[in-house]
Amino acid sequence: GAVVSQHPSWVICKSGTSVKIECRSLDFQATTMFWYRQFPKQSLMLMATSNEGSKATYEQGVEKDKFLINHASLTLSTLTVTSAHPEDSSFYICATEVRGIRNQPQHFGDGTRLSIL
Amino acid sequence: SQKIEQNSEALNIQEGKTATLTCNYTNYSPAYLQWYRQDPGRGPVFLLLIRENEKEKRKERLKVTFDTTLKQSLFHITASQPADSATYLCALGSGNQFYFGTGTSLTVIP
Repeated sequence: GAVVSQHPSWVICKSGTSVKIECRSLDFQATTMFWYRQFPKQSLMLMATSNEGSKATYEQGVEKDKFLINHASLTLSTLTVTSAHPEDSSFYICATEVRGIRNQPQHFGDGTRLSIL
Repeated sequence: SQKIEQNSEALNIQEGKTATLTCNYTNYSPAYLQWYRQDPGRGPVFLLLIRENEKEKRKERLKVTFDTTLKQSLFHITASQPADSATYLCALGSGNQFYFGTGTSLTVIP
């Protein structure tokens, strides 16, 4: 069964809207969650690493004020795209890593397709 | 910065044949390498992990090799089936950091 649940799966909204994406770890407590973005025919690009109870670590070039990440519990991390514009349209995917186990494969959600008109 | 290249954007093979996908990397010394399968509109699904001190890993019809001298991993699917059609991603990692290749789209023709 699914290990990571991501919601919503598809969002279409007007430019300037803020959109929140949820990522839930279903079977275990995830200390660390990862947020990726994937443009068509391109690979996954890590945007930020979300740590429960502390601030997220953003990759170079990712605006922390635009992509707000909250990891308030061991089972939930949220990504909010603030004042979204058409260039933010992409496939956003979260992933979890099992607590305390290094180098383990990441479990990915099914992604959220964001389309900004 | 690290660079990861996967062979040809698309690979078409006949059902029953062995598919071989390549992942080459530069400017990086990963502690491990993983392969994922991604279907359209879905998140990647983990297939295999191989560590830097391992040469080969197998799982059912899948086989992965890891050559740290050549900086290359090969991913083989034997007795391929149409259901194996998907995009396959390699990911290199060290500690908690992952870097993904652009993927190879595999189509197995019945």
